[in-house]
Amino acid sequence: RKEVEQDPGPFNVPEGATVAFNCTYSNSASQSFFWYRQDCRKEPKLLMSVYSSGNEDGRFTAQLNRASQYISLLIRDSKLSDSATYLCVVNLFFGKGTRLSVIA
Amino acid sequence: DTAVSQTPKYLVTQMGNDKSIKCEQNLGHDTMYWYKQDSKKFLKIMFSYNNKELIINETVPNRFSPKSPDKAHLNLHINSLELGDSAVYFCASSPGTGPGIYGYTFGSGTRLTVV
Repeated sequence: RKEVEQDPGPFNVPEGATVAFNCTYSNSASQSFFWYRQDCRKEPKLLMSVYSSGNEDGRFTAQLNRASQYISLLIRDSKLSDSATYLCVVNLFFGKGTRLSVIA
Repeated sequence: DTAVSQTPKYLVTQMGNDKSIKCEQNLGHDTMYWYKQDSKKFLKIMFSYNNKELIINETVPNRFSPKSPDKAHLNLHINSLELGDSAVYFCASSPGTGPGIYGYTFGSGTRLTVV
């Protein structure tokens, strides 16, 4: 079983749409959770840490469900500039990423 | 001011050669990592060093040998390069012994092509 699993997509959504990504993890003792963003041929960059109580940063909301061992990312009012691959990270382990394309 | 810098950015070499990739961070972080991103874009942890000490070695072939002369530097030496070693290698750092709540800061990557 993989440490971190996420739907690879692609998700193609129109500008202004709301889109949600989920990610499941296998180690119930995991302590650190993040969402990273990776643009084509660039390094991953931290989008946000994910806290137990959930957290929001502008149009982005992250949630953690320890009982079901998944984390989620919600993007509201999608912009063209949100087009990227979104990587779920649990401790040291990265998911394969979910590709998002926001279309005008 | 570059936080995590890797050199070289691109590396093209023949099978069987030995090559090194260098990484330096000026963030004052305690832990550094090497990740490999293959052609399917999957980022996989290879090694982790905390204050020059190896703390994680994720079943990487022993042709790969990391070296940390001090906590700001982590180099990766690869012997007898194989075609399957072609990938992007990312160096990263974090403040504590692991990602904690601050996560990883990545370098811009070294694109290795073995021909």
